[in-house]
Amino acid sequence: QSALTQPASVSGSPGQSITVSCTGTYSDVGAYNYVSWYQQEPGKAPKLMIYDVSNRPSGISNRFSGSKSGNTASLTISGLQAEDEADYYCCSYTNSSTLVFGGGTKLTVL
Amino acid sequence: QVQLVESGGGLVKSGGSLRLSCAASGFTFSDHYMSWIRQAPGKGLEWVSYISSSSSYINYAESVKGRFTISRDNARNSLYLQMNSLRAEDTAVYYCASLLWSTYGFEYWGQGILVTVSS
Repeated sequence: QSALTQPASVSGSPGQSITVSCTGTYSDVGAYNYVSWYQQEPGKAPKLMIYDVSNRPSGISNRFSGSKSGNTASLTISGLQAEDEADYYCCSYTNSSTLVFGGGTKLTVL
Repeated sequence: QVQLVESGGGLVKSGGSLRLSCAASGFTFSDHYMSWIRQAPGKGLEWVSYISSSSSYINYAESVKGRFTISRDNARNSLYLQMNSLRAEDTAVYYCASLLWSTYGFEYWGQGILVTVSS
C-alpha cells in the first residue's frame, strides 16, 4: 500500500486560509469516508484534528475543516495563526482493511 | 484524564526481538480498537497494526507482517507489540493510539517510545 500523496510544504500569512491536499486512490481515499488529519508539533505526539473526512473532535477549533472529492481529501485552515505551524498528516482506511498515512506536509506561518 | 504510556523500547541488534507495552488509563480500554504507529527519525508516520476491542480483528502493515504480533489484555488495560527479526529500518519512535468508537481516527496517543535497531 503506497503512502497517500501530500505536498511537502505549504505556507501562509496570519489571517489567511491554506489548504493541504491528500491524494489517494479508489482503494483508499476514494472508497471510504474514513479520512483523518493529524497535527504534529516538533517532539510531540500527533493530535487528531479531523476524522471521517469532515468531523472535528471536541475541543478542535472550527478554523479547521475537512472535505473530500473523489480520491483527494483536503484540510483547510482558515484565519491562520502562528500556533498552527506544524506538520500535518492525512490517513485513510483501505480496502485491504489496513490504514495508510500521507507523507506529511510542513505548514509554515510567514 | 486519558493516558497511554509506552514502555519496553531501547537498543537491540539486527535480528533481535523486543516487546513493547502500552498501559492505558482514563477511558474504557476494552471498548476501543487500539493501534501501533511508528515514525522513523525525521520521517513521516507509518501505521503498523491494529487490534479490535475483543482481539477478534487484527491487521498489519506489509512491512511488519510475519515479524510483529499485536495483542492486548483488557483485564490489565494493556496493549502489546512483540517485534521479532528486527531490522535497521524498524528504527523509529513507536506510538500506541486508541481509535475512536466505530471509526478509524486515532483519538488518543501515547508519548512514544524509541526503538533503535543496530546493524
